[in-house]
Amino acid sequence: DGGITQSPKYLFRKEGQNVTLSCEQNLNHDAMYWYRQDPGQGLRLIYYSQIVNDFQKGDIAEGYSVSREKKESFPLTVTSAQKNPTAFYLCASMTSGTGSYGYTFGSGTRLTVV
Amino acid sequence: EDQVTQSPEALRLQEGESSSLNCSYTVSGLRGLFWYRQDPGKGPEFLFTLYSAGEEKEKERLKATLTKKESFLHITAPKPEDSATYLCAVRVDNDMRFGAGTRLTVKP
Repeated sequence: DGGITQSPKYLFRKEGQNVTLSCEQNLNHDAMYWYRQDPGQGLRLIYYSQIVNDFQKGDIAEGYSVSREKKESFPLTVTSAQKNPTAFYLCASMTSGTGSYGYTFGSGTRLTVV
Repeated sequence: EDQVTQSPEALRLQEGESSSLNCSYTVSGLRGLFWYRQDPGKGPEFLFTLYSAGEEKEKERLKATLTKKESFLHITAPKPEDSATYLCAVRVDNDMRFGAGTRLTVKP
């Protein structure tokens, strides 16, 4: 079955450490997205990519980095510059085009600073 | 500025007690309004897409409607398994803007 796989499900980060969240999709979608979800807030866009080897900053990109070397993969690195990284991170993908398409989401990664 | 506001923040219903969730939006160039269901610790699951004012979509006990300024998610005779957070989002340009969600609890 097609879908999006995020790993790991839970991740713990020590102070000053970089961590990488994995996102893989087999839907043949062109566009991929990373969102951060905090209690009581809407999903906030971190980065998105519409094509391989190209990506754009979202609303809260500071302290994060991404790469898009393959169509299927869009990993997110949470760097030590991100001062408040504890959150639920969601990866999504969407087919490109001018239609009214929605996202397919992964199951999320919960990151906790220890 | 594009904004999506959902109300109420939380809603507690008795099983069988029908109600509605609201999503109001101010965006330019709306390219679809989306409803998702999210269970605790999981990713959102797609429910409906609405594009034009007056459009309605139904799925089991849920019905979504759209006007030029807002959308409603009507839940008829809810069951405990309908308990979840319901997210509304609007597609603008290359991404989506999400509301904060309505956390629905249905008690038996």
